[in-house]
Amino acid sequence: GENVEQHPSTLSVQEGDSAVIKCTYSDSASNYFPWYKQELGKRPQLIIDIRSNVGEKKDQRIAVTLNKTAKHFSLHITETQPEDSAVYFCAARTLIQGGKLIFGQGTELSVKP
Amino acid sequence: KAGVTQTPRYLIKTRGQQVTLSCSPISGHRSVSWYQQTPGQGLQFLFEYFSETQRNKGNFPGRFSGRQFSNSRSEMNVSTLELGDSALYLCASSLGIITDTQYFGPGTRLTVL
Repeated sequence: GENVEQHPSTLSVQEGDSAVIKCTYSDSASNYFPWYKQELGKRPQLIIDIRSNVGEKKDQRIAVTLNKTAKHFSLHITETQPEDSAVYFCAARTLIQGGKLIFGQGTELSVKP
Repeated sequence: KAGVTQTPRYLIKTRGQQVTLSCSPISGHRSVSWYQQTPGQGLQFLFEYFSETQRNKGNFPGRFSGRQFSNSRSEMNVSTLELGDSALYLCASSLGIITDTQYFGPGTRLTVL
């Protein structure tokens, strides 16, 4: 069935370094790719999303890139800060069976001061 | 606008019982999706409703069911609870479907003893 794989499952960086999280998806017709940040005990919050007609999108220290040919997309966080520590989820909207949102398994990012 | 709300926030049940969870979407949003979140399985899609119709269903047994009312509020029901149903149940609302952003509620933490 439809699948989204996310790597790594855990990531530890020093404050100020960059962090990269990668996801691959199986449905080549997927056209919407959001990223969510979930802090401990809180709800997932959308931080950035990209649609299939765009290759890259930036919002301050956060950027997402999409490679439709390879069916993968990545989240890039620059100049990381301790408050970036959280679990990050990627997702892809699959057009198979009506367009449900399939999530990756999550990446626990730890930013050490 | 008020965000997505879910009631109750916490629930403790015993095996064999049934439970009903409620989700109120952001005003004007017509789509509600439900997810089960567990440490080992991440965010698993349960179902999606739009204008009172179930559009999509995930790979969960028939014990999991849901519905949406004319005011877009949604409920999900789990019958004959099992220990493995212990999880955080999240709902998310969006204006429409396919590429519209989903906004999550705080979740209902269900513990089955």
